[in-house]
Amino acid sequence: DAGVTQSPTHLIKTRGQQVTLRCSPKSGHDTVSWYQQALGQGPQFIFQYYEEEERQRGNFPDRFSGHQFPNYSSELNVNALLLGDSALYLCASSRDRARYNSPLHFGNGTRLTVT
Amino acid sequence: GESVGLHLPTLSVQEGDNSIINCAYSNSASDYFIWYKQESGKGPQFIIDIRSNMDKRQGQRVTVLLNKTVKHLSLQIAATQPGDSAVYFCAEGNTGNQFYFGTGTSLTVIP
Repeated sequence: DAGVTQSPTHLIKTRGQQVTLRCSPKSGHDTVSWYQQALGQGPQFIFQYYEEEERQRGNFPDRFSGHQFPNYSSELNVNALLLGDSALYLCASSRDRARYNSPLHFGNGTRLTVT
Repeated sequence: GESVGLHLPTLSVQEGDNSIINCAYSNSASDYFIWYKQESGKGPQFIIDIRSNMDKRQGQRVTVLLNKTVKHLSLQIAATQPGDSAVYFCAEGNTGNQFYFGTGTSLTVIP
């Protein structure tokens, strides 16, 4: 049973560019959440997707957008990259958080470096 | 807004000793708490969870204690091993809402 998988594992981009990160949830999970983790910090919530819609959003600008596909996989897009966007981007999947208090299962993340 | 904090940013213990990692939370509406372990280069790994209708839960070598009166959570690791060296995060949440994570405690096990 595959867990949460993310691609790519590492990425280097230049300021102003755009990036797309991908995530496949754990089997049986229908909800995908994205987190940003700066070095030495805890994960910060970006947004959550359920039934192909953004259900909740954290304190991140509109440059951060996402998508969920019918097979529950998800993408995170970041436009107009800033140096401060350099971080580990974590995808986490779970069962429907509106109905279940179930834990998040994380992938190993995508390490984004903006130069 | 909610905040989750840890009392100690770093903790060093001798191999074989017990470890205790503490966490404070501020949102009294939180009803679900999780401890995660994160090793270098990896994503957070689920260790144990506890719901607010419980005050203690045990797993394999780990115990989580919840004190709702003082909004405090702790993770106890018995017979700490070198493989337990990692950063430990507590997370709080409630049904339908996002999880809030603390800054983390770095645990180092000394052989």
